[in-house]
Amino acid sequence: DTGVSQDPRHKITKRGQNVTFRCDPISEHNRLYWYRQTLGQGPEFLTYFQNEAQLEKSRLLSDRFSAERPKGSFSTLEIQRTEQGDSAMYLCASSSTGFGNQPQHFGDGTRLSIL
Amino acid sequence: AQSVTQLGSHVSVSEGALVLLRCNYSSSVPPYLFWYVQYPNQGLQLLLKYTTGATLVKGINGFEAEFKKSETSFHLTKPSAHMSDAAEYFCAVSVGGSNYKLTFGKGTLLTVNP
Repeated sequence: DTGVSQDPRHKITKRGQNVTFRCDPISEHNRLYWYRQTLGQGPEFLTYFQNEAQLEKSRLLSDRFSAERPKGSFSTLEIQRTEQGDSAMYLCASSSTGFGNQPQHFGDGTRLSIL
Repeated sequence: AQSVTQLGSHVSVSEGALVLLRCNYSSSVPPYLFWYVQYPNQGLQLLLKYTTGATLVKGINGFEAEFKKSETSFHLTKPSAHMSDAAEYFCAVSVGGSNYKLTFGKGTLLTVNP
């Protein structure tokens, strides 16, 4: 169990640029979640994958956001035409699909700063 | 929809004192409840979880929480605070049928004074 890995840890970009983050979940974890955390707030749900299928998207996920999980392994989150309001910590979490509600394991996040 | 309210955005205790962090939830169906801890510039680490069964749940680092359905509460306690406990603590709820996504409270920053 090597834990959830996220890359990069920090990203600084100019407004209007596109950015892509990567998440490598714990191996054999079928469920993968993306959350966004702004300063002084708890994480907010963005989207959920079970294997390669994206089963739920939050209303927070505007059309500038897209997420993929090809082959049900790693996942990417892309933000197009970044805006100041996109500045936040983006967290990825994974869990297994055992009986009941399995705990989610979080990565250390990618901190996005928009200049 | 589910929601979580954490009472007190900042709690300060002395080293060795009791830690009590408050969490109230709202859910129309039986909830699953979690406490996570976050250190600066890191992700969230699971402290403990309540799913079903025993209402008093023990977690890591000496923390425990009690699920009280009648009070819709899930307060986190630790008998004796340690300097290393200083961090941000988040209470979260999820329910079956919602893809088990977590709904978090706004967090409580715990400071421990020597």
